[in-house]
Amino acid sequence: RKEVEQDPGPFNVPEGATVAFNCTYSNSASQSFFWYRQDCRKEPKLLMSVYSSGNEDGRFTAQLNRASQYISLLIRDSKLSDSATYLCVVIFSGGYNKLIFGAGTRLAVHP
Amino acid sequence: GAVVSQHPSRVICKSGTSVKIECRSLDFQATTMFWYRQFPKQSLMLMATSNEGSKATYEQGVEKDKFLINHASLTLSTLTVTSAHPEDSSFYICSANPSGGPRGLEQYFGPGTRLTVT
Repeated sequence: RKEVEQDPGPFNVPEGATVAFNCTYSNSASQSFFWYRQDCRKEPKLLMSVYSSGNEDGRFTAQLNRASQYISLLIRDSKLSDSATYLCVVIFSGGYNKLIFGAGTRLAVHP
Repeated sequence: GAVVSQHPSRVICKSGTSVKIECRSLDFQATTMFWYRQFPKQSLMLMATSNEGSKATYEQGVEKDKFLINHASLTLSTLTVTSAHPEDSSFYICSANPSGGPRGLEQYFGPGTRLTVT
């Protein structure tokens, strides 16, 4: 079983739609959780951290369910510029806190 | 702030040759840098953790004699792919963890180096 699993997509949605991505992780000792965004042939960029209480940043809302080992990202009012691959990232406890990346979920927003 | 550069951005080399990739933190010092590899449509995989002034820590399955890492200063880490083969063709990305910051939690990524071995 992969350490971090995501639905690869692609999710094809019209502008203005609401779309949700899910991610599950296998290590219950995981400490920290993030969503990164990666554009084609570019480096990943931090989108937001994910907290147990849930957090929101503009049109983006992230949720964490530790009991189910599940993380979600909700994007409201999708824009064309949201088209990218969204990477779920988990940090397992350890001496130097390794980032473990999911394979990503591809989002394509069309006019 | 927190800019990381990589050089070269793209390299094509012949099978059997060696390629060096540089990762620099431009406006901060980084005691720890990380090297990742990403194959098409796959996730970033951590290859090794580079520590300034000491030996790198390699992940399981990564050959340390093939992927040589040197972290000689607080702003520069290099990855040398020795005797490259076509299966080494990939997107190599480094990240830097600012010195004094939460270890590993705060990572800034370089723009990546696309290696093609013919």
